[in-house]
Amino acid sequence: QPVLTQPPSTSASPGESARLTCTLPSDINVASYNIYWYQQKPGSPPRYLLYYYSDSDKGQGSGVPSRFSGSKDASANAGILLISGLQSEDEADYYCMIWPSAQGVFGGGTKLTVL
Amino acid sequence: EVQLVESGGGLVQPGGSLRLSCVASGFTFSSYWMSWVRQGPGKGLEWVASINQDGSEKYHVDSVKRRFTISRDNAKNSLFLQMNSLRAEDTAVYYCATRGTAYWYFDFWGRGTLVSVSS
Repeated sequence: QPVLTQPPSTSASPGESARLTCTLPSDINVASYNIYWYQQKPGSPPRYLLYYYSDSDKGQGSGVPSRFSGSKDASANAGILLISGLQSEDEADYYCMIWPSAQGVFGGGTKLTVL
Repeated sequence: EVQLVESGGGLVQPGGSLRLSCVASGFTFSSYWMSWVRQGPGKGLEWVASINQDGSEKYHVDSVKRRFTISRDNAKNSLFLQMNSLRAEDTAVYYCATRGTAYWYFDFWGRGTLVSVSS
């Protein structure tokens, strides 16, 4: 199964933006896949945030603020989660996921610290 | 309100078996794909298995094939994971989750049940 690469950690200050990346292996073209994003806080199950395929095909999870948005970087073969106007409550682990087949694959997760 | 409640976890020796259950309420269970996702201690998420609405399609991650089997009982609004030949690396919190049909995201999650495999 493919490996989705996420930086283990990142940090940003309140009010700033955080850009979380999810890099796909070179044999899987990011343009062909929905990228799903989840947020997980300590002691809680994951929460679905959004999916992104293209600007015309994307969706937000129920109750997820518009500060969370998705995109792709084709040159890097990566999915992007952008969190704008960071708040302390955004401090969490973030996971990307794709379905290259009937088997799903998660990235390793990025721990976001809001300083 | 959608609720998913897992049970059946516990401490088991390597090579042993466990059967996890997930009881669903607050939605039409028989209309949803269902999945199991696990998370090892201090580790990331791992998709384990998915099953379609009537149980005719089942998919498992390669690492658990021939050891784990996902199943469901729509009459009882229940999802199951039969786990045999358990290994230390199967130690994890196991979550049950609903999965969309048109878009394959996990929109509702249970709180999980802990499986510990150790001698």
